[in-house]
Amino acid sequence: IAGITQAPTSQILAAGRRMTLRCTQDMRHNAMYWYRQDLGLGLRLIHYSNTAGTTGKGEVPDGYSVSRANTDDFPLTLASAVPSQTSVYFCASSEGAGATDTQYFGPGTRLTVL
Amino acid sequence: GQNIDQPTEMTATEGAIVQINCTYQTSGFNGLFWYQQHAGEAPTFLSYNVLDGLEEKGRFSSFLSRSKGYSYLLLKELQMKDSASYLCAVLSNDYKLSFGAGTTVTVRA
Repeated sequence: IAGITQAPTSQILAAGRRMTLRCTQDMRHNAMYWYRQDLGLGLRLIHYSNTAGTTGKGEVPDGYSVSRANTDDFPLTLASAVPSQTSVYFCASSEGAGATDTQYFGPGTRLTVL
Repeated sequence: GQNIDQPTEMTATEGAIVQINCTYQTSGFNGLFWYQQHAGEAPTFLSYNVLDGLEEKGRFSSFLSRSKGYSYLLLKELQMKDSASYLCAVLSNDYKLSFGAGTTVTVRA
C-alpha cells in the first residue's frame, strides 16, 4: 500500500505558466486536503474536499483551484503561477472530516516559481 | 482567526527530556494534534487530545488543558532520531486543522 503519492517531487516553473500538482491516495479516504508550508508560517490550508464531488476553500485559496472527480485523486492547479506561490505543497487525506479523523500527509512537492 | 504559538527552537541532550509548549486561541475546539516532521519529509501523526489530561504513548506524552488553551508534548529519553520539527495543530469548529509554525528540536550527543 503506497498511502499518498504526490507528483512531481519538485518543479521549477516560470511565472505565468499553468501547473497541476497531482495527489493520489489508495486508502479510500473520503476527505483530502492541500496545504502549503512556508518557513516561519507553518502549514496553511489551501483547499479541501470532504468527499468526492465536493470541494471547499481553506485559509489561502486565491490563485489555486482543485477538483475531486473520484475518491482517489485530488489535483491542485495553479492557473498562472506567481513567485509568491513558491512553497512546499503537501497533500493529506483522512478517513472522514470529523473530530477524530487523523490526517495523513503525502511526501510533498517543492515548487519554485521564477 | 486562529492563533497558535509554540517556541521556534529547542536544544537538548541525548537521553534527556524536552517539553514543547503550545498555546492556542481558535474559533472553537474539536481537538489538538501533534505531528513530527523530519527535514525534507512529510509530517507524521504523533498524538491527539480532545479531553483534558495526559495521553502517554511510549516515550512521547501529550497534555491538554482546554480551559487554559494550552498543550505540551513531552519527549523522554531523547534519541538523535528525535531531531525534527514538532507541529501543534488545533481542529476548530469547522473541523479544519490550523497549525502552529513548528518547534525545531535539536538533540545533541
